[in-house]
Amino acid sequence: EDKVVQSPLSLVVHEGDTVTLNCSYEVTNFRSLLWYKQEKKAPTFLFMLTSSGIEKKSGRLSSILDKKELFSILNITATQTGDSAVYLCAVEETSGSRLTFGEGTQLTVNP
Amino acid sequence: SAVISQKPSRDICQRGTSLTIQCQVDSQVTMMFWYRQQPGQSLTLIATANQGSEATYESGFVIDKFPISRPNLTFSTLTVSNMSPEDSSIYLCSVMGSSGNTIYFGEGSWLTVV
Repeated sequence: EDKVVQSPLSLVVHEGDTVTLNCSYEVTNFRSLLWYKQEKKAPTFLFMLTSSGIEKKSGRLSSILDKKELFSILNITATQTGDSAVYLCAVEETSGSRLTFGEGTQLTVNP
Repeated sequence: SAVISQKPSRDICQRGTSLTIQCQVDSQVTMMFWYRQQPGQSLTLIATANQGSEATYESGFVIDKFPISRPNLTFSTLTVSNMSPEDSSIYLCSVMGSSGNTIYFGEGSWLTVV
């Protein structure tokens, strides 16, 4: 059975801190790994990673995938209170674009 | 990017009734999916909505409980049948972007069953 495990499940930091969120996976037919930010209802797309070792960056957020060790990290530098959200990791299979989600990391950034 | 509209955004339903959620996309998409997110939990795939044929359901989800229609490449509906309080969840429509590099979600439909 496909499995996606995120850690930590919850994290509380102060503004300006740097955080690293982890995602490990066991998927039979891996196609890509995706990161989402969920604040209210709809998850907002952050990154899609398909190749190992290639960092994707968007502002203060960056992410990298290791297909050998089957994990990914999401880094957020100089955190702001607006970064407070649940960050979801999901793995897409080669057949049919089905996503298997991890439990998410609840990030709280305090002023 | 695809713009996805879901209706209703929120509803309170009586036990035993059924509710149909609509998902409209602003462009033709090949892949459409329905997910459920129960309170405090992550997203779980209910089914893949197939255009012109029956939906493909994940383990634990059946057509009688969650009938799905997909009459064309821009529209799908999910019905939650004979609802019980355990069906109180956010239901989200999802599509694969035309580039194949992103998977987008609608705003979700928050259902509370009383």
